[in-house]
Amino acid sequence: SQQGEEDPQALSIQEGENATMNCSYKTSINNLQWYRQNSGRGLVHLILIRSNEREKHSGRLRVTLDTSKKSSSLLITASRAADTASYFCATDPSGYSTLTFGKGTMLLVSP
Amino acid sequence: ETGVTQTPRHLVMGMTNKKSLKCEQHLGHNAMYWYKQSAKKPLELMFVYSLEERVENNSVPSRFSPECPNSSHLFLHLHTLQPEDSALYLCASSQDAGATGYEQYFGPGTRLTVT
Repeated sequence: SQQGEEDPQALSIQEGENATMNCSYKTSINNLQWYRQNSGRGLVHLILIRSNEREKHSGRLRVTLDTSKKSSSLLITASRAADTASYFCATDPSGYSTLTFGKGTMLLVSP
Repeated sequence: ETGVTQTPRHLVMGMTNKKSLKCEQHLGHNAMYWYKQSAKKPLELMFVYSLEERVENNSVPSRFSPECPNSSHLFLHLHTLQPEDSALYLCASSQDAGATGYEQYFGPGTRLTVT
């Protein structure tokens, strides 16, 4: 069954703007991960945040996790055209790496 | 991306054919995964192997048969597929499938079309 649900489904912004994507899930988790996928290609891991963490940073990426609300957000600051891709959250209920993915947010960054 | 490779990149097969997808990881990982990505559906986990043993099978039809001869190689054998099996098949690996959670590294995928 689908666990993560991203919002919005699509997001269109200009270069330099920030992009925020949200993920909601239904059951308790061990960790939550964000991935990026360029059109029709493999996924690239961005950030893993564990259930006892509230925020994590990696370069221009910031991920927050609110386990009480069962939600996470991914913020990309100062976006670039190269950030154009689909972004997926994936939940890991047990920590045994059996990930359940959402349908993703398609981000378009225009020059 | 040289960490996880997949061959072939594109495959067209008839419903009566038998073919195999190959995945190889060069990362020294112990766990490998097969996923199916169909249009307008979430990425679906099909199989998980940890140290060459299958630890997860998400109710996948028997026309898909995985094989993991060692921790670096993973195959997906296909036979008598249906048109609805057309999809992007992604292989991934992670350090382990243990109880601490690890990020997964994906290959570029095989685009399968069943005619």
